[in-house]
Amino acid sequence: DSGVTQTPKHLITATGQRVTLRCSPRSGDLSVYWYQQSLDQGLQFLIQYYNGEERAKGNILERFSAQQFPDLHSELNLSSLELGDSALYFCASSGRGETGELFFGEGSRLTVL
Amino acid sequence: AQTVTQSQPEMSVQEAETVTLSCTYDTSESDYYLFWYKQPPSRQMILVIRQEAYKQQNATENRFSVNFQKAAKSFSLKISDSQLGDAAMYFCAYSSRLHNQGGKLIFGQGTELSVKP
Repeated sequence: DSGVTQTPKHLITATGQRVTLRCSPRSGDLSVYWYQQSLDQGLQFLIQYYNGEERAKGNILERFSAQQFPDLHSELNLSSLELGDSALYFCASSGRGETGELFFGEGSRLTVL
Repeated sequence: AQTVTQSQPEMSVQEAETVTLSCTYDTSESDYYLFWYKQPPSRQMILVIRQEAYKQQNATENRFSVNFQKAAKSFSLKISDSQLGDAAMYFCAYSSRLHNQGGKLIFGQGTELSVKP
């Protein structure tokens, strides 16, 4: 158990809809990262938040947005969903220590029909 | 921008044998981290081993060891005495130590390892 909690584990929705994925980082971790894993794109970094502020941005579509709340949990919002958005979405967190390691949640499996 | 390349989409090893997974990366930085993560069928991402670029000594974790060649930008993973539970997708990953990079991981495409009994 990594200590990172993601909900929901599975989500099935239709094209054009909007979903919200939630992540609770390990206790004390200030950084939250979101990744998308799909068969054709591999593991792609989407966005990082540190203590409530956006720290780094990767290949995140404009239809996607994220935020980190004062209690440090984070949400990834996916809107106007397309078939190609079907993927496994991972949240990871890291602490203050200089190890570089990210701790991953179990992922949220999104299926867009 | 940094890139990570795993040129072996699939590998196979006999139980109790040794296998080496390859990884190369490209960066202009001198200080960084390198990782191998394992993703079993459960899809959970699990850290296998970690290497700091400024350390010349290769990292070792039980049956897992790396061959870190900084000049060649190569970072291979050796699994000794392979076990059935080692069957998984293995990802090589890079992380910059520059503060403005935030600590994100850049992953390779992965190598699917199967272990034959």
